[in-house]
Order: sequence, then structure tokens, then C-alpha cells
Amino acid sequence: GESVGLHLPTLSVQEGDNSIINCAYSNSASDYFIWYKQESGKGPQFIIDIRSNMDKRQGQRVTVLLNKTVKHLSLQIAATQPGDSAVYFCAEVPGGGNKLTFGTGTQLKVEL
Amino acid sequence: DARVTQTPRHKVTEMGQEVTMRCQPILGHNTVFWYRQTMMQGLELLAYFRNRAPLDDSGMPKDRFSAEMPDATLATLKIQPSEPRDSAVYFCASGSPGTGVTDTQYFGPGTRLTVL
Repeated sequence: GESVGLHLPTLSVQEGDNSIINCAYSNSASDYFIWYKQESGKGPQFIIDIRSNMDKRQGQRVTVLLNKTVKHLSLQIAATQPGDSAVYFCAEVPGGGNKLTFGTGTQLKVEL
Repeated sequence: DARVTQTPRHKVTEMGQEVTMRCQPILGHNTVFWYRQTMMQGLELLAYFRNRAPLDDSGMPKDRFSAEMPDATLATLKIQPSEPRDSAVYFCASGSPGTGVTDTQYFGPGTRLTVL
């Protein structure tokens, strides 16, 4: 696999700090959203998902927030670790549809 | 540890040659997806199958690309003839039984294709 590359937005955080990665989606009819993590040389890995009837969902060290009013999705990572360094993608699925559309990705860099 | 496997991991070929990429989905998964990842376009869905039947291939250039599932353990993506613009990483993903693309998708490691 490949990280998407040179022109990705980049978020740099200190180890131990919390990270917030944002995503604006385009389709107001989307009713299902997923965050993926892609490490260099690997395929995307599912992190957490949320349906449009929810505003918040928590996993292990991760929380996804959904604001349908402004079509915004965020991924919060608590106590960021070096192993969290990767490209993070949000993806949306339109209601009644069946295609998963990925955002452009954000590069997260964790500094020691 | 069940995972999606893809072969080859890397492929370098010349323009005009045929390229075949293979994917073995996770045993028991009934949906298979093909994606392409480039720096310019990001991750794009090319095609997907459920129970070996193609459900959507609208993201795939029809004139040169074809996707098949000869059996439940093998999915193939073929490009003939290949062109330099096809250079990308091609991912296969499989989904656990459920309602289609909203299944949790498990991605393979990808095939990096370079067409000279």
C-alpha cells in the first residue's frame, strides 16, 4: 500500500497529547461514516464507524463525533502514541446507496 | 489471523501488456471490493461483488478493466491493455456477511502497479 502523499494535510502532535482529525463530507444524504487508518505500505484499517442517527461513538482510545448540521465528522484519539502515526481517512455512504466514498486523508505525525 | 491476501505485491510492466491482480478474501466473507489509490485521486471504488455476483462496477473503465470472481476464494482484476495512467496501488477488501458496502471492510496489503 501507499500513503497518499505529498500534499496531504498534516497534523503533528506530541506523544501523549490528544489528536483531533477533522473531515467535511459532501453528501447530506450520507447516513453511515467510517474512519480508516492507513500505515505506510499497508491497506486501510477500519477504526470506528457511526450512523447518522448518532452524534458520538466511542471506541478504545478513539471517539467519533458527527455534526450533521454542518456535515462535519471528527476523530479524536486520546493519549496519542507513536503507533498512531498514519494517514487517516473518513469515508461516507449515502443513504440507500452502496458506495463507500473516501476523503482525501490527513497525515498524523506523532512526535516523541 | 484471517486476512485478505493479494498477489502480486508489486508489478512493473510495459504499456500494452496485460496485468492480472488476484485477491483471496477472508473465508466466509461474501462481499469483495476493488479499490485504486493514487496521489491525485485518493481511494476510488472500482467494483464490488456480493456472493460472487458483480453489483457495481461503475467506477471501472470498461474498455480495459474487468473484474471477476471465478469462485468464492478468488477475485481477479485484469487490465488489458495497460497504460501508464493505470499506475497505482490496487486494494482488495472483503466484507463480513451483512448488508453490502456498509459491512466492515477488511483491506488487503495492495498491489503496487507501475506501467512504463
